[in-house]
Order: sequence, then C-alpha cells, then structure tokens
Amino acid sequence: DGGITQSPKYLFRKEGQNVTLSCEQNLNHDAMYWYRQDPGQGLRLIYYSQIVNDFQKGDIAEGYSVSREKKESFPLTVTSAQKNPTAFYLCASSIGTVLNQPQHFGDGTRLSIL
Amino acid sequence: DQQVKQNSPSLSVQEGRISILNCDYTNSMFDYFLWYKKYPAEGPTFLISISSIKDKNEDGRFTVFLNKSAKHLSLHIVPSQPGDSAVYFCAAVDPSTYDMRFGAGTRLTVKP
Repeated sequence: DGGITQSPKYLFRKEGQNVTLSCEQNLNHDAMYWYRQDPGQGLRLIYYSQIVNDFQKGDIAEGYSVSREKKESFPLTVTSAQKNPTAFYLCASSIGTVLNQPQHFGDGTRLSIL
Repeated sequence: DQQVKQNSPSLSVQEGRISILNCDYTNSMFDYFLWYKKYPAEGPTFLISISSIKDKNEDGRFTVFLNKSAKHLSLHIVPSQPGDSAVYFCAAVDPSTYDMRFGAGTRLTVKP
C-alpha cells in the first residue's frame, strides 16, 4: 500500500542531544513537509521540500534541520538548539507544491524530553 | 499570529443530527481551503476542499460552505455518525507563498 511512514512513533531526547525523525513515502510525491503540533494550536510548518536536494524553511525552522537526498525520504533532525522540542511531529507529502494539492500525512512521532 | 481560527475546541452532537464545524480566517489572500480529519494516533487525512471561486462543495455526507465576505467557512456533516468522531482541522492556502495554514482543530464527538 502506498503511504507515508514515520518512525519512531515515540521518541525521547536527553538534554543537549540531537535526534532524527524518519519520514519515508512511496507515493512518488515531489513535495514533502514537516509540521509540529502543540496542544491548542494548529499545525505549524517547520520545513518543506519541493524537490530532491532542495528545501525551504517554514515558520518555525530554528533548532531544526532537514535533508532531501532521495525523493522518498525527508528526515528531520531536532537539534540541541531547539529549546522546547516536546511536541507531536507530522510529516506530509503532496504530488506537487501545496497549491490545490491535498497533503497526505504520516501517523506522527511524539517527541518528549527526559 | 493565527491566520486560521477554529474557535470551538469541541463539539458534541447526537447520531443522525447535523454537525457544523466552523472556521474563520484573516488573510484575504487565501484562495483554497481544505478540511482534514484526524483520529487519535493517526495523521490527518484529507476530507474535502473548496476553491474561492465556489461557495459550496458537496461530497456525500460532507458539505463545505465558503463565505468570502465574512472570511468564514464551515463543514456540515449530515447525518452524523459515531465514526465521524475525530478532530477536524481547517486549512487555508495562500497562492502567493504556497503557505498552508492550519486551524487548531475541533474535536467532534457523535453520540449514539
């Protein structure tokens, strides 16, 4: 079945540690996105990529980094510079740029601080 | 700066009745709107969308209404079913920036 796979489902980070969240899609979508969801807030865009080897910052990119070496993969690294990383992280993809293209979401990764 | 607002965090309706979920936006550049549905422990799934050139789009039990002058859209579910119980997110797209902005979501509970 085609879809988006995020792993792990739950992740714990120690202070000062970088962690990487995985996102893989087999939908042959060009565009991929990372969102963060906090209680009582909508999804906020961290980074997005419209094509391999290219990505753009979203609204809250500070403390995060991404790479897009393959079309299928868009991993997100939460660095130690992100002072409030506890949140639910959602990866999404769409056929093209977001305009008029519904995004398909993974099931999310919940990150917590130890 | 929340450009898309869902002011009701929760809504409870009886099975068979109509559910109306509301969404307001502030950015007049938004020209495409989507509703996503999210079950616990799953990612959001696309439900229905509407372009700003329309004021209504219907898909089965789901209808989205857009009032551009009021910068308001609503999702109607008729009849509501227990399986519709989920969190519903409203989203809006700004074509000049390709930004998609999400509301905070409304948790719908449909009681049998």
